[in-house]
Amino acid sequence: GAGVSQTPSNKVTEKGKYVELRCDPISGHTALYWYRQSLGQGPEFLIYFQGTGAADDSGLPNDRFFAVRPEGSVSTLKIQRTERGDSAVYLCASMMGSLGGELFFGEGSRLTVL
Amino acid sequence: DAKTTQPPSMDCAEGRAANLPCNHSTISGNEYVYWYRQIHSQGPQYIIHGLKNNETNEMASLIITEDRKSSTLILPHATLRDTAVYYCIVRLGAQKLVFGQGTRLTINP
Repeated sequence: GAGVSQTPSNKVTEKGKYVELRCDPISGHTALYWYRQSLGQGPEFLIYFQGTGAADDSGLPNDRFFAVRPEGSVSTLKIQRTERGDSAVYLCASMMGSLGGELFFGEGSRLTVL
Repeated sequence: DAKTTQPPSMDCAEGRAANLPCNHSTISGNEYVYWYRQIHSQGPQYIIHGLKNNETNEMASLIITEDRKSSTLILPHATLRDTAVYYCIVRLGAQKLVFGQGTRLTINP
């Protein structure tokens, strides 16, 4: 596809359940970023991949959150034992190269934890 | 923590130039100034970025002061579709973008 694709677009789950959110970056983009955004707030950084490795995971709030990018393309954000406070829009972005420049964002996955 | 300061909201008349200010007094020599915007229910959209020279593209112009402590994003002929939250961000290399609260710009007919 032409842009960053995120699935599912909406996910409703119950407290305590496990959730996976998927991000397909733009083809050829080596950098991938995850953010989450709560209502009325700016996006909050979670983790940044350069290739397969996490270059910066300082934004992951706790050990219930984990992300992988095993082949340097698609990434999955995994949330264990979900809590109501995890409800947010989870945004993924990709970027070509490692020196900086434009991040292309997807439309996000809206997670609601009941 | 975001290293920029922006007014929380602004209004502009359709067809006029919208000038959005940003203060970044602690910017370091290698940090770029980036602007993104977010239209309701969409992901953030890149607008423009610069280091120390003024920049212009098809969307906007970026004016950076000589001391680099502040900048202004200019939308030359604002339309209703420019209503969005505008984020000013300073960034080093490929590091994460740190978003603040941004400026909520409303374009009025």
